[in-house]
Amino acid sequence: DQQVKQNSPSLSVQEGRISILNCDYTNSMFDYFLWYKKYPAEGPTFLISISSIKDKNEDGRFTVFLNKSAKHLSLHIVPSQPGDSAVYFCAGHPLANTGNQFYFGTGTSLTVIP
Amino acid sequence: DARVTQTPRHKVTEMGQEVTMRCQPILGHNTVFWYRQTMMQGLELLAYFRNRAPLDDSGMPKDRFSAEMPDATLATLKIQPSEPRDSAVYFCASGLAGTVGANVLTFGAGSRLTVL
Repeated sequence: DQQVKQNSPSLSVQEGRISILNCDYTNSMFDYFLWYKKYPAEGPTFLISISSIKDKNEDGRFTVFLNKSAKHLSLHIVPSQPGDSAVYFCAGHPLANTGNQFYFGTGTSLTVIP
Repeated sequence: DARVTQTPRHKVTEMGQEVTMRCQPILGHNTVFWYRQTMMQGLELLAYFRNRAPLDDSGMPKDRFSAEMPDATLATLKIQPSEPRDSAVYFCASGLAGTVGANVLTFGAGSRLTVL
């Protein structure tokens, strides 16, 4: 049972343009979300997070938007750079679960074309 | 620079052999997770520990997988006997449980397992 879904396995974007990665979740108890970035042969690294009390969180070129009613979040990268080429995982965290148990999606492979 | 250390980085073995993967979590972290990366499931949670106690291993095939934390500096994931379908990258991650949303997980570089 995949509680977090990333329906686009891959995405290609021209350098300098906006990259939009999407994520949907089914568990209404999720109230904290993270995006991780993964390069080949490395472990995932934390990128940005958002709490359910917000609908937007921004960190430099990265912005995450949360639409709780639609159970949808998205990661925007503006402007996209070739170094952003990686696999991006979305993860959700259930309310009242203090054990850091995150549920991950299947990932979206982003390619930024120079 | 605190990091999660996993060994081995690569392992090639034959079907039926025992495989043990090891993880050294970040000092001070009290939660440890084992994930498996597959194309279909993405990052699939296998097991996790809090304060060395197993909290959830429902994602593991019980007949062949086992996970332990003999002490706070070592977590192990064992597969016996291994099968070709176990071929994947296995990640260990650690974190500091506490206030909801206050912490993130730090991942190791992964152990790539190939079972022939």
